[in-house]
Amino acid sequence: DSGVTQTPKHLITATGQRVTLRCSPRSGDLSVYWYQQSLDQGLQFLIQYYNGEERAKGNILERFSAQQFPDLHSELNLSSLELGDSALYFCASSPRQGHIRDTQYFGPGTRLTVL
Amino acid sequence: TQLLEQSPQFLSIQEGENLTVYCNSSSVFSSLQWYRQEPGEGPVLLVTVVTGGEVKKLKRLTFQFGDARKDSSLHITAAQPGDTGLYLCAGGWSSNTGKLIFGQGTTLQVKP
Repeated sequence: DSGVTQTPKHLITATGQRVTLRCSPRSGDLSVYWYQQSLDQGLQFLIQYYNGEERAKGNILERFSAQQFPDLHSELNLSSLELGDSALYFCASSPRQGHIRDTQYFGPGTRLTVL
Repeated sequence: TQLLEQSPQFLSIQEGENLTVYCNSSSVFSSLQWYRQEPGEGPVLLVTVVTGGEVKKLKRLTFQFGDARKDSSLHITAAQPGDTGLYLCAGGWSSNTGKLIFGQGTTLQVKP
């Protein structure tokens, strides 16, 4: 158990819909990261938040947005869903804003299926 | 364009055999991490290497960072069925972010 929790574990929805994925970081960690894992693209970095502020952006679509709240939990919002958005979405956390020796602790993931 | 190329993509071996997984890039990284992921779970960090030429050992696993910090390898000695899983390399930069670029992964199956 990494100490990172993600809800829900599974999500099935239809094209065009909007969903929210939730992540609670490990106690004391200030950074939250979101990743998307699909068979064809592998594990892709989406976005990082540090202490409530956006810190780094990766291959995140404009239909996707995220935020980190004062209690440090984070939400990833996916809208106008397409079939290709079906994937595993992981949240990870780390203590600092980013250091080359930092460990990112990954949650168990949310499996999103868009029908 | 994949910044980090892992090879092989799939590996199926018998228990007791040795294997090496490679992670190559044309980019220089400040750090290179190796993760292992099991089905239904998130990746778990195995090791971080930051110095060119650095070698780290974790029981039967040996990790090496290339001298130019563009490539890395993971060598497993006498593989066990418990080593089965997806191995991912990830490169990072010292830019005050935790952004990581992951390779496509190597799926390892160790048969008893």
